[in-house]
Amino acid sequence: GQQLNQSPQSMFIQEGEDVSMNCTSSSIFNTWLWYKQDPGEGPVLLIALYKAGELTSNGRLTAQFGITRKDSFLNISASIPSDVGIYFCAGRPYSGAGSYQLTFGKGTKLSVIP
Amino acid sequence: NAGVTQTPKFQVLKTGQSMTLQCAQDMNHEYMSWYRQDPGMGLRLIHYSVGAGITDQGEVPNGYNVSRSTTEDFPLRLLSAAPSQTSVYFCASRVGTVRLKNQPQHFGDGTRLSIL
Repeated sequence: GQQLNQSPQSMFIQEGEDVSMNCTSSSIFNTWLWYKQDPGEGPVLLIALYKAGELTSNGRLTAQFGITRKDSFLNISASIPSDVGIYFCAGRPYSGAGSYQLTFGKGTKLSVIP
Repeated sequence: NAGVTQTPKFQVLKTGQSMTLQCAQDMNHEYMSWYRQDPGMGLRLIHYSVGAGITDQGEVPNGYNVSRSTTEDFPLRLLSAAPSQTSVYFCASRVGTVRLKNQPQHFGDGTRLSIL
């Protein structure tokens, strides 16, 4: 099946710092989604991207759909303690039998030091 | 996470027992799916359904059955629980017509299942 490489696996940052994480795929995707998961809860959608080159912001979060359709990044500016959690990228293949299904990255665990 | 409700939140089973994990959504979403989440593995798709009466296998379907008799409910059955099925299980739903298949999924809060 499809595979997504999400990096970094984990990050420890100082409060107020900016954060960047990314996902890459070996095949073309037509949708990129970024989710955040807090402990004991399900993933919650942060940003959805549907077009190559699309740059979308949600408060302090900005995500981009790569021009090649094979990558996406998520930036968090001026991190705060409540940004702690696991961030997942997810993508949907461009076409074919699996195009209903999302493929998830393995997550980036973010820790913020006050 | 309003909209997708999973029960139970926690469950401990013995090897060989059977169990049904419940998932219900009140958003009239056609597409529903089940994932399992294991440490370092992200979310892996078990089964999914594009509408009532239609189900299909995902990436890791073995040991699990599903059915979709109504739009609202999508239960996941473990036929004979094994320790390898110890995991956190998430149900998700979204608008599911072909035209709207790019719509994002909404997740429940998960069921934490331990098999002894």
